[in-house]
Amino acid sequence: DAKTTQPNSMESNEEEPVHLPCNHSTISGTDYIHWYRQLPSQGPEYVIHGLTSNVNNRMASLAIAEDRKSSTLILHRATLRDAAVYYCILTTSGTYKYIFGTGTRLKVLA
Amino acid sequence: GAVVSQHPSRVICKSGTSVKIECRSLDFQATTMFWYRQFPKKSLMLMATSNEGSKATYEQGVEKDKFLINHASLTLSTLTVTSAHPEDSSFYICSATTGQGNNSPLHFGNGTRLTVT
Repeated sequence: DAKTTQPNSMESNEEEPVHLPCNHSTISGTDYIHWYRQLPSQGPEYVIHGLTSNVNNRMASLAIAEDRKSSTLILHRATLRDAAVYYCILTTSGTYKYIFGTGTRLKVLA
Repeated sequence: GAVVSQHPSRVICKSGTSVKIECRSLDFQATTMFWYRQFPKKSLMLMATSNEGSKATYEQGVEKDKFLINHASLTLSTLTVTSAHPEDSSFYICSATTGQGNNSPLHFGNGTRLTVT
């Protein structure tokens, strides 16, 4: 399974944009990049996913590098409610598994 | 849409007893469901993949006789922890997809915190 690497933790000020990076240098052509976040004592929540093109939805934007070896989740205006662990995962068409890495713990400062 | 309900949210049981956790997709049909386990301050660990009407596929190191998974319908999967012991205490989370293939987002239940005394 292709692996992702994320910083263990990041901090952001409230109402400022946050860029959460993810490296996936061994990604293959058919792997999708998914992002989920998990608040304490809850199940993860789907945020966004994409293959090659940048993606936008009401929660966030996903910027995918041209070589697809990295991606960035962008929260346009961080709020206190965005404090969570953010997971970047690759989903492989062959094995159809969703393997979670260690994630990035985002702290939002008021 | 795409709501997954997991029940119970918390359960305390005595060592040696069995516990059943239910995972339901409320507003969609879930061809595939996944079961995860999570220890405090750790990431989610995939336990098994469950397809409706067929046997679950377990990850390496997960005892299939210990963690019985049944996916009898397109909206219900169950995880039974048999003969539970204190080391089985953990946060168990189910998830389901609305479609097939790796282009489908996962939708998660809110987890079940199991404590075995």
